Amino acid sequence: GENVEQHPSTLSVQEGDSAVIKCTYSDSASNYFPWYKQELGKGPQLIIDIRSNVGEKKDQRIAVTLNKTAKHFSLHITETQPEDSAVYFCAARLSGGSYIPTFGRGTSLIVHP
Amino acid sequence: EAQVTQNPRYLITVTGKKLTVTCSQNMNHEYMSWYRQDPGLGLRQIYYSMNVEVTDKGDVPEGYKVSRKEKRNFPLILESPSPNQTSLYFCASRRDRNYGYTFGSGTRLTVV
Repeated sequence: GENVEQHPSTLSVQEGDSAVIKCTYSDSASNYFPWYKQELGKGPQLIIDIRSNVGEKKDQRIAVTLNKTAKHFSLHITETQPEDSAVYFCAARLSGGSYIPTFGRGTSLIVHP
Repeated sequence: EAQVTQNPRYLITVTGKKLTVTCSQNMNHEYMSWYRQDPGLGLRQIYYSMNVEVTDKGDVPEGYKVSRKEKRNFPLILESPSPNQTSLYFCASRRDRNYGYTFGSGTRLTVV
């Protein structure tokens, strides 16, 4: 099955700095990579996703990059704000079988004002 | 509003007392799943369903049951809860296999 490693587990930045969270996956058959943001007391919320036919995708201050050769993908947040503080999860989904995504263990991002 | 609704939000129960956590989605999604979230372990899938009457085990199915008799509902059943099932549970649905999940707000379960 798929295995997803996510780093770092905790990330602390100053407001206005950039933040980068990295994930690696094990199965080259994975072709869909969503990212979720979980605020305190809430369920995870899909914030951006990327498919294997694309190398980069942006949505305002967030972007995701994918390197299929190295089997890793990253979430980039620019000009961080205190409301970006949350736990972020990456996931990788295989292109066959049950199509169920495997999640990373999460990164707690803290943005200090 | 498009959403996944799960109830209750909080539940404290005793070992062995059967309980059901309900989950309903109003988006006509095909896929539904149950996850548990524990500190340091992230999100682990318990069961999933690809359509009505089609369910399958996830990574940690022991001690749980599910059913999918209607497209919108996917209840999670603990026949005989034990303290190691104390956790935060999330129900989620997605339109089909090519999309991400919409998660519910969670159910905090404590088994004493």
